[in-house]
Amino acid sequence: GDSVTQMEGPVTLSEEAFLTINCTYTATGYPSLFWYVQYPGEGLQLLLKATKADDKGSNKGFEATYRKETTSFHLEKGSVQVSDSAVYFCALKRALGGTSYGKLTFGQGTILTVHP
Amino acid sequence: EAGVTQFPSHSVIEKGQTVTLRCDPISGHDNLYWYRRVMGKEIKFLLHFVKESKQDESGMPNNRFLAERTGGTYSTLKVQPAELEDSGVYFCASSHPGTSTDTQYFGPGTRLTVL
Repeated sequence: GDSVTQMEGPVTLSEEAFLTINCTYTATGYPSLFWYVQYPGEGLQLLLKATKADDKGSNKGFEATYRKETTSFHLEKGSVQVSDSAVYFCALKRALGGTSYGKLTFGQGTILTVHP
Repeated sequence: EAGVTQFPSHSVIEKGQTVTLRCDPISGHDNLYWYRRVMGKEIKFLLHFVKESKQDESGMPNNRFLAERTGGTYSTLKVQPAELEDSGVYFCASSHPGTSTDTQYFGPGTRLTVL
């Protein structure tokens, strides 16, 4: 079945450091890929998405590129801020046509803490 | 526009008791999803409604869980009787019908603790 594997955390960085959170997936066909973020005390928010190979999703300085050859969707940010401290979830959704196309399959989540 | 709301935010019950969680989706969103995150693990899909019909309930763990969406608006998820392993955070999400890439908007979750 479908699965998503994220790098294990927690990740602790100093402000302005470079961030990479690795995400790889296993799925049939051409799924859509997502990064969700959960800030302390809040629900999940969509951070960015990509729907086909080589697409780059970006938002709030974060980027991730859909790499079909390596089945990866790594999240990057050039300079993190304290306000980026949160839990980050990588997820996929099967392409339209499958019986379970609506559901998201998530990774375990990566806790990011950024210190001043 | 109001987001997805969930009630209660926290619930603490004893093993064997019954708990009902409620989700109010964004107005006009026909798709409604329930997910669960247990013990810091991955968020797992439970089921998917399209309006009042269950489109996919492949993630429901067992028959102690009952989800309803009467009238195609809000949804409830009842756990009866609750077991220790049901503890976790239950998320609800909704989306507008459309293409397969429709964005799911999540509620803040209900944290369930079974003692």
